[in-house]
Amino acid sequence: NAGVTQTPKFRVLKTGQSMTLLCAQDMNHEYMYWYRQDPGMGLRLIHYSVGEGTTAKGEVPDGYNVSRLKKQNFLLGLESAAPSQTSVYFCASSDAAGGLGTEAFFGQGTRLTVV
Amino acid sequence: AQTVTQSQPEMSVQEAETVTLSCTYDTSESNYYLFWYKQPPSRQMILVIRQEAYKQQNATENRFSVNFQKAAKSFSLKISDSQLGDTAMYFCAFEPYTNAGKSTFGDGTTLTVKP
Repeated sequence: NAGVTQTPKFRVLKTGQSMTLLCAQDMNHEYMYWYRQDPGMGLRLIHYSVGEGTTAKGEVPDGYNVSRLKKQNFLLGLESAAPSQTSVYFCASSDAAGGLGTEAFFGQGTRLTVV
Repeated sequence: AQTVTQSQPEMSVQEAETVTLSCTYDTSESNYYLFWYKQPPSRQMILVIRQEAYKQQNATENRFSVNFQKAAKSFSLKISDSQLGDTAMYFCAFEPYTNAGKSTFGDGTTLTVKP
């Protein structure tokens, strides 16, 4: 049982480049989330999804887009990367009973550097 | 909007002793979840304990317990018999029932357990 898998684990981008982070979960969870974690700070919610085909904005959505075409996958896209998007990105998933109200399972994180 | 404040950026405790981490939050919601997550150096986020706001009884999980004061909007974590493996960053988090999925994290407290 792999849980939540994020790819890639590390990436360096040049300013203006685009990329997609993939999150896959094998627990049949309804809810999926993308967070960013900056040094000395907690996780900030970028976007989340409460089910296949749905997405919603979190606290810091600007500069990011997401898609949830399949229940098990949640993609985070950066169309034109900026140095301010240098961060560690975490994906998480949880059951439908209440979002984080049930235990959320996190991926190992993706360290993204934009130069 | 919800805010979560962890006023102690760093704390330390001797092995086998007890330590309390503080968390306060601000919300107009009456029903919500509160959580403590642990992030060891491996970066993996691990749920430590959760509390539902409508439950007056404080949650406990083995050596971990909370002191939930709803009127004061306070949610502290007590770790008893601290172990070296408890060394980690601890995050307090909040999620409203009415907007399940839209979670808010505090900035974290780095706890060091000393031998």
